[in-house]
Amino acid sequence: DVKVTQSSRYLVKRTGEKVFLECVQDMDHENMFWYRQDPGLGLRLIYFSYDVKMKEKGDIPEGYSVSREKKERFSLILESASTNQTSMYLCASSLGDTTYEQYFGPGTRLTVT
Amino acid sequence: SQKIEQNSEALNIQEGKTATLTCNYTNYSPAYLQWYRQDPGRGPVFLLLIRENEKEKRKERLKVTFDTTLKQSLFHITASQPADSATYLCALGTGTYKYIFGTGTRLKVLA
Repeated sequence: DVKVTQSSRYLVKRTGEKVFLECVQDMDHENMFWYRQDPGLGLRLIYFSYDVKMKEKGDIPEGYSVSREKKERFSLILESASTNQTSMYLCASSLGDTTYEQYFGPGTRLTVT
Repeated sequence: SQKIEQNSEALNIQEGKTATLTCNYTNYSPAYLQWYRQDPGRGPVFLLLIRENEKEKRKERLKVTFDTTLKQSLFHITASQPADSATYLCALGTGTYKYIFGTGTRLKVLA
C-alpha cells in the first residue's frame, strides 16, 4: 500500500513565522504535489514536482516555496505566514502522468493567528 | 477559463437507493476523468478513472459515465449504505501532471 505521510496533523503559527510542512511517500513515486483545500474553493494546486530538485508552480504559488532534495520527500515552505494561509494542506504523490491516480496524505490543518 | 462544477448542495438519500452525483466541465477536453472520495479531516482516496473512449466504467457498487458531448460525468452508487456518506470529488487531468479538482459533493445516506 502506498503511504503518504505529513509531518503534522494540526499546526498553529503566528503571523510572520516561517513554516515548514513536510511530506514523505514510500512508493518511489516520481511526482509529488502540494494542495490547499478551502470550503467552497476545493483543492487548489500550489506546487508540484516531477523529479528531484525539479518543481513547477501550480495555480496559487504566491507566498509559498517548495523543496525536493530526495525523491521521497517534498517540503512546502511558508516564508512569512499570513492569516490568509490558514487552510488544510494536502500532499499527494503519483507514479506518472495524470492517467495515474494521486495518493494523498492525511492533511495538515494550519492555523495562522 | 477552465471550470469544473459539482453540486455544491449536499445530497441526502435513503439507504438502499442509488445516489447520482454530477460533474460538469467547461472549456476543456479531457481524455480522462477521475473520481475520489474524501472523509472529514482526511485526504481524498482514488475510486475510479474513466477515459473518453470508455462511456461507462463499473467497480463493485460504483458506476461512472463520461459524456464528452455533454461535457459531463455521472457517478452512481447503487444500494447505498450509511458508510458511503462522504464528499466525492471529480478531477480532470490537464497537461501531463496537473489535475483540476471540482469542489465536491457531500453525500449523506440516511439509515
